[in-house]
Amino acid sequence: GNSVTQMEGPVTLSEEAFLTINCTYTATGYPSLFWYVQYPGEGLQLLLKATKADDKGSNKGFEATYRKETTSFHLEKGSVQVSDSAVYFCALSQNSGGSNYKLTFGKGTLLTVNP
Amino acid sequence: DADVTQTPRNRITKTGKRIMLECSQTKGHDRMYWYRQDPGLGLRLIYYSFDVKDINKGEISDGYSVSRQAQAKFSLSLESAIPNQTALYFCATSDSRYNEQFFGPGTRLTVL
Repeated sequence: GNSVTQMEGPVTLSEEAFLTINCTYTATGYPSLFWYVQYPGEGLQLLLKATKADDKGSNKGFEATYRKETTSFHLEKGSVQVSDSAVYFCALSQNSGGSNYKLTFGKGTLLTVNP
Repeated sequence: DADVTQTPRNRITKTGKRIMLECSQTKGHDRMYWYRQDPGLGLRLIYYSFDVKDINKGEISDGYSVSRQAQAKFSLSLESAIPNQTALYFCATSDSRYNEQFFGPGTRLTVL
């Protein structure tokens, strides 16, 4: 079955530091990959996505590249801000076979950015 | 106004009580979902519905039931709440043409 493994947190950084949160996946075929973010007290919001190999998703300064050869979708940001403090979830969904409804999530990584 | 709303946002109840959590959406999506979130476990799917007459069990449906009253409304019930159902519950929606989901703000449920 499908699975997503992301680096365990918590991750604590100083403002303007470089961020990487690792995510690897196991899936058949060619899934779509997502990063969701959950700010304190809120629901999950889609941060970025990529639907095929070598696609780069980007939003709000965050980027992730779909690497099929390493089955990875690592999240990066060049300079984090205090407002980026949140829990980040990597997720995948199959694109076909009647399973495109199902999101498989990683366990989440808590990021805290200090001023 | 939020596209996906959940009520209540917080609820404390006692073991054995019946509880209903409600979800409404204005996105016009046909698919709706209920998840629970537990620390260190990520999100797990409880039930999902492709339309009003199509409801399916997810990974962890035992102890839960759902009702899709209309395309825009999907409620989750705990018939007899137990303490290990204490969790954060999220409703989500999606368009059947796409596989990204949109989440509500969550309901924090505590069962004493």
